[in-house]
Amino acid sequence: AQSVTQLGSHVSVSEGALVLLRCNYSSSVPPYLFWYVQYPNQGLQLLLKYTSAATLVKGINGFEAEFKKSETSFHLTKPSAHMSDAAEYFCAVSASGSARQLTFGSGTQLTVLP
Amino acid sequence: EAGVTQFPSHSVIEKGQTVTLRCDPISGHDNLYWYRRVMGKEIKFLLHFVKESKQDESGMPNNRFLAERTGGTYSTLKVQPAELEDSGVYFCASSPGQVSTYGYTFGSGTRLTVV
Repeated sequence: AQSVTQLGSHVSVSEGALVLLRCNYSSSVPPYLFWYVQYPNQGLQLLLKYTSAATLVKGINGFEAEFKKSETSFHLTKPSAHMSDAAEYFCAVSASGSARQLTFGSGTQLTVLP
Repeated sequence: EAGVTQFPSHSVIEKGQTVTLRCDPISGHDNLYWYRRVMGKEIKFLLHFVKESKQDESGMPNNRFLAERTGGTYSTLKVQPAELEDSGVYFCASSPGQVSTYGYTFGSGTRLTVV
């Protein structure tokens, strides 16, 4: 079974500051990991995914995440926050490469302060 | 290409009534998924279709929920009778193949409120 823990249900950063959203996973098999973002009144949009290739994954909108097996982590970062980054972010894990279900974390609401 | 379309976007019904949610996946996507997010909690898997067949329905909460996927195209999720705890946002997603390769494309969700 897989599980995901997102530390911090709410994170606030100033515009231009580093964004760091934390995700730790538990999986009995090599995981596939994802970050999704949900803007208000929209569906979830895939930011990036880790599928056992490079451990540093670059996504859209300047976000990236690093897979650290020893720490069972997949934290999401962005060097400089923009106001438009304000949204809810979800980390998710899948057990394998098959077309199977995702297990989501509880989400982190990111607020960007002017 | 058109995305995943869900409707209605919002639904408010009374306890005991029936509601049907619809999802139109991206054309050609054989895999269709339903997820639900109850207020402030995790997004939880409900079920997975491959074409018209239910591949995995382990997340369906009880027999008040019935999902169908007619001819492997659109899908409906019926809740009958609705209870207060069914309130939440219901998401549909579709994928042409392996999640590791394609991820999912999600719809905007249906916000269901049972009063």
